Amino acid sequence: QKEVEQNSGPLSVPEGAIASLNCTYSDRGSQSFFWYRQYSGKSPELIMFIYSNGDKEDGRFTAQLNKASQYVSLLIRDSQPSDSATYLCAVRKSSASKIIFGSGTRLSIRP
Amino acid sequence: EAGVVQSPRYKIIEKKQPVAFWCNPISGHNTLYWYLQNLGQGPELLIRYENEEAVDDSQLPKDRFSAERLKGVDSTLKIQPAELGDSAVYLCASSLRQGVTNTGELFFGEGSRLTVL
Repeated sequence: QKEVEQNSGPLSVPEGAIASLNCTYSDRGSQSFFWYRQYSGKSPELIMFIYSNGDKEDGRFTAQLNKASQYVSLLIRDSQPSDSATYLCAVRKSSASKIIFGSGTRLSIRP
Repeated sequence: EAGVVQSPRYKIIEKKQPVAFWCNPISGHNTLYWYLQNLGQGPELLIRYENEEAVDDSQLPKDRFSAERLKGVDSTLKIQPAELGDSAVYLCASSLRQGVTNTGELFFGEGSRLTVL
């Protein structure tokens, strides 16, 4: 079992709709959770982080964390063509630990 | 503020040749990471430094890969000899220690794309 798992996609969503990206992790002791966006040929950049159970909203993005189910999700409202990218879920066990990435979900927003 | 700087951006070598990648992290970031990313995959950690100390190098293939971070600032990743399967993007990232006022997020450089022929 991979430590961080994501569906590879591609996930195709019409412009203006909600895109939902999911991630599960295996280490129940994980504390910090990150979503990175990576455009083709570019490096990953952080878009959201979450530590506590529940929802965290930032503009069109909402991160959701359920530690009991070991599940993290990212919702993108009012999807735009510029949201087309690969979204990487990343997990850290503690402040002194390494960050482990999933394999990413490729998102395509169709006009 | 300058970001993480990596060089070279692209490198093409023949198998069995050596290659080296250089990384200059964001000023003040004590943690430095080298990741390897294959096409369609997420970054995989090779080595993590806290200042000068390599605190996690369990995924570094030590028979051919080596890394150093002199004076706790710049870092170099070396492969000798390179194999066909080493073709990938080598990403350097830096961060502050996660704490009350910061997330400990990773800031990535633009990466060094290696092609081994």
